[in-house]
This record gives sequence, C-alpha cells and structure tokens, in this order.
Amino acid sequence: QVQLQESGPGLATPSETLSLICSVSGASISDFHWSWIRQPAGKGLEWIGRIYGSAITNYNAPFRSRVTMSLDASRNQISLNLYSLTGADTALYFCAMGKTKTKFDSWGQGILVTVSS
Amino acid sequence: EIVLTQSPGTLSLSPGERATLSCRASQSVTSNYLAWYQQKPGQAPRVLIYDSSTRATGIPDRFSGSGSETDFTLTISRLEPEDFAVYYCQHYSSSSLYTFGQGTKLEIK
Repeated sequence: QVQLQESGPGLATPSETLSLICSVSGASISDFHWSWIRQPAGKGLEWIGRIYGSAITNYNAPFRSRVTMSLDASRNQISLNLYSLTGADTALYFCAMGKTKTKFDSWGQGILVTVSS
Repeated sequence: EIVLTQSPGTLSLSPGERATLSCRASQSVTSNYLAWYQQKPGQAPRVLIYDSSTRATGIPDRFSGSGSETDFTLTISRLEPEDFAVYYCQHYSSSSLYTFGQGTKLEIK
C-alpha cells in the first residue's frame, strides 16, 4: 500500500521560500506521477505542479514563475519549493500520486502552512 | 483552459435517498478524463470514479459516474451516513493538465 507523508515548516515568512518534502513508501518515485495540490481553509483544491519520470515537470500557470519541484530517488522523496510567499499561500498542502497521468490515486494527509510575519 | 462548474453548491438529503451531483465543463473534455473525489473533514480527498464512469478500487457500487463531452454526473444510489462529505470533479488534459471543480457539499437534511 502506497503511503505519502508531507513534512516541512508549519509557519513561513512573507517574501521567503517554502520548502516541503513528500516522503513515499510502498512505491518507487521513479514510477508514477507526483503532484502537489493545495487547499486554503474552507476552499477548494488547486493543483500546483507535477513531476514524473526523469524529473519532467509541469506547473500550473499561476505558479510557474515561482515554483520548482524535484525528485530524490535515494530517499524516495519529492520536494516542492514555492518562492516569494504571500498570505494567499496559506493553505493545506497535499502530495498526491497518480498511477496514470489522469488522476490522483493516493494522497498524503496534508501539511498546514501559514504564511505570516 | 477548461473550467469545471459543479452544481448544486450544497445538496441536503437524508440517508437512503439518491444523490445526483453535476459537473459541467466549459468545453468538451478530453477522452472523458473526468474523475470524482470525496473529501471528509480533516481528511485528504479520495478518488471514487475515474475516466468518467470507472469505479476506483474498493469503492462501493452505490457510487456511479456517467456523462461525456461537457456534462458529467456522480450518482450515489442510496446514501449511507458516511457519504455526507464534499465532492470534487477533476479533469485532465494535455494542455491545461489538472483542473478541479469548486466542490459540492452533500449534507444531512
């Protein structure tokens, strides 16, 4: 059974960079598609970006200028870096896996990130 | 970019009743790559249906999906107490990748 666990700071500073890690067990990150998705409190889901294969990345247009994702095969982890933070980035951040490119089959429990000075 | 509009925003029903949730796309959906998720408070979403009508592993058969092109429906044939949650539709396309609807809250009447 695939398990995903997000980790990182619960509090981030405006204008700074958010770095999150998704640790995966039960599957190799060299397989499948890996996405970050966020959800502001009481609101809907917003896809941030995807990484797969030999670290091919695709980012949602609103984030394209300030996001990077990477893979660490030795640790079986996926990372997210989101730059130039504002209060609007306060949200629950999920890591999700797609067995195919079209959907999200497994999700982490999410990590709540608050952006505040 | 395809926009997904879900209706109603909130649906109030009783256990045992039938629920019909709608997801409308602003343009025709690629290859019926339309999925439905259930999210309960404090939990991550869980995939219920993918490719418009295929139930994900372990999903009870009271959940069914249908539709094509721009109009898609999630039907719960007979509501169980654990089915009251928020439901999202999601589309994949090679151009805009992943898009979510805004969600429908299914609440107990």
